[in-house]
Amino acid sequence: SQQGEEDPQALSIQEGENATMNCSYKTSINNLQWYRQNSGRGLVHLILIRSNEREKHSGRLRVTLDTSKKSSSLLITASRAADTASYFCATDGRIQGAQKLVFGQGTRLTINP
Amino acid sequence: DGGITQSPKYLFRKEGQNVTLSCEQNLNHDAMYWYRQDPGQGLRLIYYSQIVNDFQKGDIAEGYSVSREKKESFPLTVTSAQKNPTAFYLCASSISGRWVGGEQYFGPGTRLTVT
Repeated sequence: SQQGEEDPQALSIQEGENATMNCSYKTSINNLQWYRQNSGRGLVHLILIRSNEREKHSGRLRVTLDTSKKSSSLLITASRAADTASYFCATDGRIQGAQKLVFGQGTRLTINP
Repeated sequence: DGGITQSPKYLFRKEGQNVTLSCEQNLNHDAMYWYRQDPGQGLRLIYYSQIVNDFQKGDIAEGYSVSREKKESFPLTVTSAQKNPTAFYLCASSISGRWVGGEQYFGPGTRLTVT
């Protein structure tokens, strides 16, 4: 199935450092999205990048998309303790005739003070 | 958590009982979704609805049922036929029912435990 796969599964860094998470997917997409989930809570949309875009910024977030490699990366700069969360990529596309948004398994990010 | 509410936050049921999870949105969104999340895993789509009085099965619909009688409400029933119902259930909505690949807004989730 068309699924985003995040890498690494878990990441632990010191506060102030940059965090990079990667997402790979299998089929062509219209867009790719990144979401954050704090423990035991719902997901929060962070950023959407369209298939014809290569890079997008939002505050301390930078997302890149390489459609030739079917991969995306999320960079969080100058990390803070509040960035501790799980991060999911989601890709849209047509699966078995239906348009769907498919989520990866996520990267669990821990920011150590 | 935006304009989507899910209740209750925690739900406990005995095996063999049906249980209904509530999801309400005041965002005037056309599309609504139900996902299941198991520990350490991503979200799996149970059902989705692109318009009132219509819904489609997702990837793991067996043992679940839904209704969409009102635009703002999309309740999920976990039936006794669902073999492994204990999980974290998330409801979401998106603006357009025509394109379900857009940004989704999530509720806070309901953690269901069946013993």
